[in-house]
Amino acid sequence: IVLTQSPGTLSLSPGERATLSCRASQSVTSSYLAWYQQKPGQAPRLLIYATSSRATGIPDRFSGSGSGTDFTLTIARLEPEDFAVYYCQQYHDSPPHYTFGQGTKLEIK
Amino acid sequence: QVQLQESGPQLVNPSGTLSLTCGVSGASISSNNDWWSWVRQPPGKGLEWIGEINRGESPNYIPSLKSRVTISVDKSKNSFSLRLTSVTAADTAVYYCVRNSLFYLEDWGQGTLVTVSS
Repeated sequence: IVLTQSPGTLSLSPGERATLSCRASQSVTSSYLAWYQQKPGQAPRLLIYATSSRATGIPDRFSGSGSGTDFTLTIARLEPEDFAVYYCQQYHDSPPHYTFGQGTKLEIK
Repeated sequence: QVQLQESGPQLVNPSGTLSLTCGVSGASISSNNDWWSWVRQPPGKGLEWIGEINRGESPNYIPSLKSRVTISVDKSKNSFSLRLTSVTAADTAVYYCVRNSLFYLEDWGQGTLVTVSS
């Protein structure tokens, strides 16, 4: 199963709403879909797991939704520290392995 | 709080073997519930999961690397390791060690850049 993220780059201003898309080539179990944020020079950080559950310490302006083949990460009101690259990730159970989308870069407009 | 720290050579010769170790604190590598992964990221590119291991289970590897990769656990040092043989420039990347949680990758090390070059 291939994950395709869009857009490749999203240019927005602080305070705006960001909507990032992750589309799978086949249906994905909702429990198996996660989102990560990565800033330059840093390791990725888990944001959302099981499609819509926020990881520990993640602000409530981050939310995840979706089902089947279409999943969305929404950032309600962009803060300056939210500008980063975002990856979606899927778990496959047979054989067990993980795959990532190619990433969406969220940049300041 | 779980902390992970990668260590190992930052420069490897082409056709040589890449070896990294991940020291774990705040959790036991012997836990039946936890899986431990390696993920890599070539410079300027996306993330690639390499494989995972659990104390009581056989490791799982990404098919494209399965013939060259070994992940193992050292219970005495509360650590786990990555070994990648026959490396080429395409294996140049930042390598992260990670603690899995169910179906996602929860706790990440800071990463270490390994360059394959003579």
